[in-house]
Order: sequence, then C-alpha cells, then structure tokens
Amino acid sequence: AQKVTQAQTEISVVEKEDVTLDCVYETRDTTYYLFWYKQPPSGELVFLIRRNSFDEQNEISGRYSWNFQKSTSSFNFTITASQVVDSAVYFCALSERRSRDDKIIFGKGTRLHILP
Amino acid sequence: AAGVIQSPRHLIKEKRETATLKCYPIPRHDTVYWYQQGPGQDPQFLISFYEKMQSDKGSIPDRFSAQQFSDYHSELNMSSLELGDSALYFCASSLVSSGRFRGQETQYFGPGTRLLVL
Repeated sequence: AQKVTQAQTEISVVEKEDVTLDCVYETRDTTYYLFWYKQPPSGELVFLIRRNSFDEQNEISGRYSWNFQKSTSSFNFTITASQVVDSAVYFCALSERRSRDDKIIFGKGTRLHILP
Repeated sequence: AAGVIQSPRHLIKEKRETATLKCYPIPRHDTVYWYQQGPGQDPQFLISFYEKMQSDKGSIPDRFSAQQFSDYHSELNMSSLELGDSALYFCASSLVSSGRFRGQETQYFGPGTRLLVL
C-alpha cells in the first residue's frame, strides 16, 4: 500500500537559516510520482514540484531544492535562507501508476515556522 | 494564468441542512478532483470526474454526491450535514495527456471552500 510519512510535525527556525523537510514514502510500484505542496495560513494548496520515479536528478528552484533518493525512499525538501513568507504547512504526496488511482496520497504535513 | 475557482469561499450551515460547492477548473483541464481537509489534517480524496464521468471514488459519504457538467465545472452536493463535515473542501483540476493516467498528472488546487456546520 502507498504511504507517505512526514516525521516532522512542526519545525521552527530563525529567518535566513536553512531548513530541510523530510519525506519518506512507501510503494510497491516501480513507477510512481512524488509531489510537494505548500499550504500557507490563507489555506490554499500551492503546487511546488512533481517528480517521477525514473528521474532521480535533484532539482533546484531559487531557494528551494529537492533531494530524491530512491535507495532510501525519500524525497526531502530544503529551503535555503528561509524567509518569514515561507511559514506554511508543507505536504509531501505520492501517486502510483499501478493502482491507476486518480487520487494522490498526502503525508500528514510539516508545519514550518520561520521566526523573524 | 487562470487558476481553479471555487465558490463560495466560506459557508456556514446548520446541522441537517444541505450545501452545494462549486468548482471551475483551469480552462482546458478535463479532470476534476474533490478533497476534504479536516482541521489539522491532510487532504483526503473524495471523488473525481474525467470528461464528465465519475472516474474514481474515495472516502465520500453517501450523503454527498457530485457531478461534472458539460462546461467541465463540477458541483459537490452535501446533504444532512453533520458537525463532522466542517472542513476545508478543495477542488483540483488536471489535464490528462494521451496515454497517461490521471494520478500521475499534477493536480492544481483551488483556494478551497471553508464549510462550518453549526
């Protein structure tokens, strides 16, 4: 069965510090897709990144970077030089090709507080 | 760029009342998904529609129903509301490319409808 674990329920860091959000997933499929979404205090869900299981290349987008490691079933998210506007709940999510489900399975989320 | 539109953004209902939530997907997107997010919880999949047909079903109560119309907008109808239905309801949309399945497509979420049942 597919499962996403975000062990860090809440993290607080001081502005300008780097912070890494952990995501570990479980799947029996060889083809799957991983996502990160951001949910700021206003409540909307903002898509950040999608990665398929065949693409282990790490990605950097501005201050955001993602480290995909199939060997450890992890898809971690790092924010460099954090800013107060980064304060939000971050969800890691997974979908499997074999199940052919429409849904994506979310982790429980990590609430990130960036302190000024 | 146009995003997913949901209305209303906030809704307050009494127990046993009905509610209708509307979703307008991103133009040219053919698939709509509904999710429910309880307080402090992760979003849970309810139901999805592809080309106006129900595509997949999750943990949607029998009191809820949904449909997708010819213009691709979707409505989630909720009857006999209970206190536990208070949640943030998200609609998401995606465009399914030929030969791919919907779960692998990026789902773009709307701002959500916050439902409070008193």
